[in-house]
Amino acid sequence: AQSVTQPDIHITVSEGASLELRCNYSYGATPYLFWYVQSPGQGLQLLLKYFSGDTLVQGIKGFEAEFKRSQSSFNLRKPSVHWSDAAEYFCAVGAEAAGNKLTFGGGTRVLVKP
Amino acid sequence: ETGVTQSPTHLIKTRGQQVTLRCSSQSGHNTVSWYQQALGQGPQFIFQYYREEENGRGNFPPRFSGLQFPNYSSELNVNALELDDSALYLCASSETVNNEQFFGPGTRLTVL
Repeated sequence: AQSVTQPDIHITVSEGASLELRCNYSYGATPYLFWYVQSPGQGLQLLLKYFSGDTLVQGIKGFEAEFKRSQSSFNLRKPSVHWSDAAEYFCAVGAEAAGNKLTFGGGTRVLVKP
Repeated sequence: ETGVTQSPTHLIKTRGQQVTLRCSSQSGHNTVSWYQQALGQGPQFIFQYYREEENGRGNFPPRFSGLQFPNYSSELNVNALELDDSALYLCASSETVNNEQFFGPGTRLTVL
């Protein structure tokens, strides 16, 4: 069975500082990996995805993530955070063999200090 | 291009009642997945529909059921509502089974 762990429940970062959100997954084969962002009361917006190929993927809003198979990780990064990045971030894993049904982590809430 | 839409936005039910939530998939998408997101948690997969057939189910009891229509819109039905069914219900559509999923804004269900 696939699973996702996001070790940090809350992260507070100053505006302009860098941000890294951790994600560890468990899956036997090559997974599909995703990062989604959710603003309060909203649905999920896809930031980026990894299916195969280059292990460093670029997404929207200046985010990037790196797939590290040896560490079963897919950490999300942004070099300089804006106040509008305050939201909840979810890492998810899917698998072609499972029809890409997504398993989500518990989420990391990001607070941005002025 | 219209994205994924869900109705209603919010609703309040009492224990034991039944509820139907609706989802219109994005144009050209034949796959719809439903997720339940309890407060403070990540979404959990309920089931997926592909071309009007159920294509996989998560760990939810049979009182959670669904339908997909010929236009690929979908319904989620929950019978005998329990307090723990209070959650945000998210619908996602994709071009086909293994493609990227696009999420709707969700329906907030409160069970009293």
